[in-house]
Amino acid sequence: NAGVMQNPRHLVRRRGQEARLRCSPMKGHSHVYWYRQLPEEGLKFMVYLQKENIIDESGMPKERFSAEFPKEGPSILRIQQVVRGDSAAYFCASSDGQGGTEAFFGQGTRLTVV
Amino acid sequence: GESVGLHLPTLSVQEGDNSIINCAYSNSASDYFIWYKQESGKGPQFIIDIRSNMDKRQGQRVTVLLNKTVKHLSLQIAATQPGDSAVYFCAENPSNSGGYQKVTFGIGTKLQVIP
Repeated sequence: NAGVMQNPRHLVRRRGQEARLRCSPMKGHSHVYWYRQLPEEGLKFMVYLQKENIIDESGMPKERFSAEFPKEGPSILRIQQVVRGDSAAYFCASSDGQGGTEAFFGQGTRLTVV
Repeated sequence: GESVGLHLPTLSVQEGDNSIINCAYSNSASDYFIWYKQESGKGPQFIIDIRSNMDKRQGQRVTVLLNKTVKHLSLQIAATQPGDSAVYFCAENPSNSGGYQKVTFGIGTKLQVIP
């Protein structure tokens, strides 16, 4: 399966803990997007990364949230000291970075903060 | 433009009727557009795309219309079925400039099919 893989699918964290969400892009894709989605709401852009570079992080909260896409391995979205308001579905998409092509989505990670 | 944390508009349609979902885009330079379908609990999936050198493209039971003059896209679903119930997003990915290209999503529309 060469699709976008996200893990874990479900993640439960207590307030104050750290959450790490992983995304492996489609084979051949070097660009990754992260989105957050609250129930009954649309996709909210968070960050756009290329291998080893953050291209656009205009949607990322200034504190507690960080993202990386290392040369080797998956992209990681890290949320430190989670709060209940961080509970949401986090989706990753990948593209080949070229204009005029589609982005492919993973199945998402559903984070629940208790 | 970019999606924001707003509640989704909802379209309710009787089973068997045709559905029309609309989307406005902001970048007049955009030349490639995509419609995604997101079922409950799943990630968005590609439905159909269209390039700006076309104003209409048809797939199986779906048609996308592009009006570049008013920067408007629509997705038409023929003979809507219960399985079409989902959230539908439009997206744009301009190909007219160098460097990276960021895919930008619309807010989405929730389609409810009434049996």
